[in-house]
Amino acid sequence: ETGVTQTPRHLVMGMTNKKSLKCEQHLGHNAMYWYKQSAKKPLELMFVYSLEERVENNSVPSRFSPECPNSSHLFLHLHTLQPEDSALYLCASSQVGRGPLAQETQYFGPGTRLLVL
Amino acid sequence: AQSVAQPEDQVNVAEGNPLTVKCTYSVSGNPYLFWYVQYPNRGLQFLLKYITGDNLVKGSYGFEAEFNKSQTSFHLKKPSALVSDSALYFCAVSSNSGGYNKLIFGAGTRLAVHP
Repeated sequence: ETGVTQTPRHLVMGMTNKKSLKCEQHLGHNAMYWYKQSAKKPLELMFVYSLEERVENNSVPSRFSPECPNSSHLFLHLHTLQPEDSALYLCASSQVGRGPLAQETQYFGPGTRLLVL
Repeated sequence: AQSVAQPEDQVNVAEGNPLTVKCTYSVSGNPYLFWYVQYPNRGLQFLLKYITGDNLVKGSYGFEAEFNKSQTSFHLKKPSALVSDSALYFCAVSSNSGGYNKLIFGAGTRLAVHP
């Protein structure tokens, strides 16, 4: 295991539901990431939190709402999703800083497989 | 803009033969390059990275990659493939952006190793 856990592993929801994805890292890192992986498409970076501040929102629709209450936890709140939002949602963490630490490896969780009906 | 290309959607190799998964990149400045592997129903697993130094980088599970600046390539290699190496492989380039390392991924290459 990589030290990054995600729950739930699978989620089926209707377009009117509200659900949340949870990510927890046990690596002592200070940055966390949400990615979307759809079939036949490259991984898409959605959000980045560095030192608990959101530093990137990659033109993600407002029906996705991230939350980072502390450096170990990251949530993705889902509301009124569309069928095209069905995908594997991956969380990652890394240690960021100056010099060599600036290129530290990102470690990924197992992902949440989301199906929107 | 930075980008990564993995020109092959799929690579087929017989068990015991050497394998190569290709990756080329486009980046301004010094590239920081990564390889990840994804097994079915799993997240991405780090294999190796090039930051600086020796052009030949060794990683997990017997994999290695060669950084070639003139050809802007970072191909993943293994001398003898195993059936268990069958998976989806991603190349990525990193840039330090606003205080964090932003990864740009290629589209992925599916490696199939046949007994």
